[in-house]
Order: sequence, then structure tokens, then C-alpha cells
Amino acid sequence: GAVVSQHPSRVICKSGTSVKIECRSLDFQATTMFWYRQFPKKSLMLMATSNEGSKATYEQGVEKDKFLINHASLTLSTLTVTSAHPEDSSFYICSTRGAGGYTFGSGTRLTVV
Amino acid sequence: QQQVKQSPQSLIVQKGGISIINCAYENTAFDYFPWYQQFPGKGPALLIAIRPDVSEKKEGRFTISFNKSAKQFSLHIMDSQPGDSATYFCAASSKAAGNKLTFGGGTRVLVKP
Repeated sequence: GAVVSQHPSRVICKSGTSVKIECRSLDFQATTMFWYRQFPKKSLMLMATSNEGSKATYEQGVEKDKFLINHASLTLSTLTVTSAHPEDSSFYICSTRGAGGYTFGSGTRLTVV
Repeated sequence: QQQVKQSPQSLIVQKGGISIINCAYENTAFDYFPWYQQFPGKGPALLIAIRPDVSEKKEGRFTISFNKSAKQFSLHIMDSQPGDSATYFCAASSKAAGNKLTFGGGTRVLVKP
């Protein structure tokens, strides 16, 4: 199946700063990537669907100006958490769908202090 | 509205025993039902998946049973091992909804040696 590489695995940032998370599809041309957020001991919540070369589609209740998504190529999608606050601290996971089903990145633990 | 309900929330099983996790869905348009295994600090990994035209699928120690009329599906882990201790998520998606995954709430499985 597709191989997805997500970086960084952990990041700590100060309130008010922005953080970029990268998701690369290593062996598959991903026209669509999905971004999830997961709180401790909770399930995955879909935040947005990024589409190569066009605007991302955000789920209801997700602030598009806070969570900027860029999918400029078939192998790279990025999620930027802008003006981060402690309540943005969470585990963020990207995913893409290939012939073998969905493949997930290893996740990014964001801590905003 | 939670479209995929998963139970139990947690499960303790002895080594060699059978772990059984159940999921129920509401949306009859769902046409793909995967199960994922997630270890702490990692992204989910696909275990096994089924489509609604099949009532059972087995891969190694993992079996999915699917009951279309009851809108339920379950995961059986045979001969459970301590290394199976993880959180398991069922999910569902439909082509009509752009193949976006809807996750169940998760089940934390602990296999005692």
C-alpha cells in the first residue's frame, strides 16, 4: 500500500506562533489527503480534505483560517496551525487513500505552551 | 450524530483468548468497513477491511463478521497476544460521501500474559 511520511513527530511551540506539519506520499501520487485531529484517548476527527491544486474542504466547525492546508504537489500536503494556542495542543494525523485502502502518517504531537 | 458506534470502550483478555469488538452504523450508504490498530503515539494501521457483499473475512488471527441487515460488524482477534495490546478503531466510508472515513470511538484492548 501507499507509504506516508509525516514530520515532525513532535513539536513544542509558544502561544501565538505558527507550526507547519508536512505529509508526504512516498510511493503514490496522492490527489487527495485527509487531515485528522485526535485528542487523548479519543477517536480521530476529520478536519479537512486537501486536494492537489485546489482549495481544501473543511469539516463543519473547523476554522480554515487557523488550520491552513496546502496541497501544492501530488506528493506533499501541509497543515499549518496559525497563531497557535494551548487548546490547539493535540495529535494531528494525515492520511491518503491508495489501492490498498487508507494509509496514515505516524502523527504529530503538537504542544502549545 | 455519531454514525459509527463502537463497543466496548475497553477490554481485558488473557493471552490466548479471543477479543471481540463490535460496531454498529446508521448510514446505509457506507460501502467500506475497515478496522485499524493504533499504538500510543503512532498513526492507525489498517488491519483488515470488508465490503458489504461479504459476510465474513479472515486474515490470520483477525476476522471481520458483517451483518448488513443489522447494520453491524465486528472484529474477532483469535489467540490474543500481549503485542496485540492497542487501541482498535472501526470505521466506515461511502463513495457518495467522497470516501471520507467515519471512525468509531475506539476500544482499548489489554492482553494480559
